[in-house]
Amino acid sequence: QLQLQESGPGLVKPSETLSLTCTVSGGSITSYTHYWGWIRQPPGKGLEWIGSILYSGSTFYNPSLQSRLTISLDTSKNQFSLKLSSVTAADTAVYYCARDRPNDYWGQGTLVTVSS
Amino acid sequence: DIQMTQSPSTLSASVGDRVTITCRASQIITTWLAWYQQKPGKAPKLLIYQVSTLQSGVPSRFSGSRSGTEFTLTISSLQPDDFATYYCQQYNTYPWTFGQGTKVEIK
Repeated sequence: QLQLQESGPGLVKPSETLSLTCTVSGGSITSYTHYWGWIRQPPGKGLEWIGSILYSGSTFYNPSLQSRLTISLDTSKNQFSLKLSSVTAADTAVYYCARDRPNDYWGQGTLVTVSS
Repeated sequence: DIQMTQSPSTLSASVGDRVTITCRASQIITTWLAWYQQKPGKAPKLLIYQVSTLQSGVPSRFSGSRSGTEFTLTISSLQPDDFATYYCQQYNTYPWTFGQGTKVEIK
């Protein structure tokens, strides 16, 4: 059974970079011809797709975040990561990692608060 | 971006009711449409993908259909475990986009 787990700081200062890692267990991240993605949900609001990365390393970003966003793979650790730079309070959200297209396996989510 | 207009935003229903939630896409998305269920404090759960294919383990009271660019999630007989928020998602064209959500409440 595939499992995903997000990790990273729960508090980030404005203008700094938000960094999260998703660890995949129960299968190799490169053994699936799948995308691996990030989705976020501001408190009390709906879901926003952030972006995804193909097992080959090709990336697909939401244009609304593209200028600040980097998603990468670490196949040696069976992980993929999210970096979002120059964060503001509007980036406060629960961040989920998930296998993508469609999102059939999800992590539990991690709340990231942007505040000084 | 493709806009997914989901309705209603809130729905009050009783156990045993037949419930229908609709999502309209602003452009053609063929069959790349999924439905998710989310309960408070939990990650969304995939119910249906490719318009009408039931994810493994999902009860058969859930079904999906399509008419043009309008997509429908139907719960044939609402159960206590079904009170939650439901989202549609198109994954035909980047960026993938979600509907605004429908909260199914106890009447």
